[in-house]
Amino acid sequence: DIVLTQSPDSLAVSLGERATIKCRSSQSVLYSINNKSYLAWYQQKPGQPPKLLIHWASTRESGVPDRFSGSGSGTDFTLSISSLQAEDVAVYFCQQYYSAPTFGGGTKVEIK
Amino acid sequence: QITLKESGPTLVKPTETLTLSCTFSGFSLSTHEEAVGWIRQPPGKALEWLAVIYSDDDKGYNPSLESRLTIKRATSKNQVVLTMTNMDPVDTATYYCARRTGSYLLFGHWGQGTLVIVSS
Repeated sequence: DIVLTQSPDSLAVSLGERATIKCRSSQSVLYSINNKSYLAWYQQKPGQPPKLLIHWASTRESGVPDRFSGSGSGTDFTLSISSLQAEDVAVYFCQQYYSAPTFGGGTKVEIK
Repeated sequence: QITLKESGPTLVKPTETLTLSCTFSGFSLSTHEEAVGWIRQPPGKALEWLAVIYSDDDKGYNPSLESRLTIKRATSKNQVVLTMTNMDPVDTATYYCARRTGSYLLFGHWGQGTLVIVSS
């Protein structure tokens, strides 16, 4: 199994400030033939199912605000929220789909 | 509009078999490269992928749970059924079904989930 480790477990950020979440994979999820990292990010608000935000490590889904951005390749990835809004309070998960899917442990984002 | 909805028992006893149904609309599992998966989430914890079934009836399972899981479809009813044997209190979780996005195992449409409690 590919293990995904997220950090931090939680963070509190002031409105309008940047939030940064890390996801580290126990092995590379970069497929050399297409040079794509098989890494996605989800947002889960309380009482709701997860919502897919980003795939291929950095490609936003349609309708996702551009304050959300993903970066990284291979084993180290970052989700950034450039200017935190109240509606961004949620738990964020990374997921790899390079092999049998696994998810990170989640990062809870709150307002400071 | 794509929708998925999970149904099944809220409470099961240890050692029993859990059967969950996912009823979906807005797409057909008969369409090439469609797939529906199951993912669960214990209260306050992380997500865990369980199983997937593809349009060609191929199936995939989480290796650590494979011996306990069976996924099948009832195409005419737009339903996917998941069974999990030998339930244990650690299997208490919200169980989600979800439609994959594109050709890979990431999930763009989810049901609201159904909470299953395992307790005697």
